[in-house]
Amino acid sequence: AQSVTQPDIHITVSEGASLELRCNYSYGATPYLFWYVQSPGQGLQLLLKYFSGDTLVQGIKGFEAEFKRSQSSFNLRKPSVHWSDAAEYFCAVVRLNTGFQKLVFGTGTRLLVSP
Amino acid sequence: EPEVTQTPSHQVTQMGQEVILRCVPISNHLYFYWYRQILGQKVEFLVSFYNNEISEKSEIFDDQFSVERPDGSNFTLKIRSTKLEDSAMYFCASRIDREQFFGPGTRLTVL
Repeated sequence: AQSVTQPDIHITVSEGASLELRCNYSYGATPYLFWYVQSPGQGLQLLLKYFSGDTLVQGIKGFEAEFKRSQSSFNLRKPSVHWSDAAEYFCAVVRLNTGFQKLVFGTGTRLLVSP
Repeated sequence: EPEVTQTPSHQVTQMGQEVILRCVPISNHLYFYWYRQILGQKVEFLVSFYNNEISEKSEIFDDQFSVERPDGSNFTLKIRSTKLEDSAMYFCASRIDREQFFGPGTRLTVL
C-alpha cells in the first residue's frame, strides 16, 4: 500500500546534540513533502516543505530536510537540539496529479530532549 | 498574517448527539479540508471540498458526517449522531496553492 513511514516512534536526544528524524514514502512518483511539528495539545505547525528543485530545504527553528529520490526519503535534521524542540514530528506527503491534494501523514516521531 | 480559525476549541457531547465544528478558512483560499487525529495516533484525512462540493472523502467519512460552506466564509463539519470513537482532535485546513494552512483544531470528546 502506498504510505508514509516514520520508523522511529520515540527518539531521545541530549540537548545540544544533533537530530535526524527519518521519513520514507512509497509512492512511485515524487510527491510534495512536508514536515510538521505538534506540541502537546496544540495544532500542526509547518516546519518546511519540498516541491521541487534544490533537495536540501531549510525551514523554521533551524530545521532542514534533505530529499533523496533514490531512497524515497525526506529526513529532518537539526544540528543542535534545544529543550523546546521536544514535541511530536509528522512527515506528510501529497501525491501529485490527484487533483485535490490531500495530505497523507506518517505515524509521527516523539522527540524527547534530555538535559 | 491571515490564519485559519476554528471554534470551539473544545466540545464535549453525549453519545448520539449532533455536533457542528466550525472553521473559517483564509479568505482567498479555494480548497478546504478536514482531518482528524485520535489521541496518540496520526493525523488522518477525512474530506476535501472545492467549488461547493466534496471532491474526495475517506472511508472514515461515512453517512454520519457532512460538510458545508453555508455563507462563503465558514466551513463546517457536522457529525449527526456521535459515537465514542469520534472523540478526536479535528483540524480544518485550507489552501490556494500547494501548501495547506491548518487551524488550531477542535478537541471533540464524546461521553
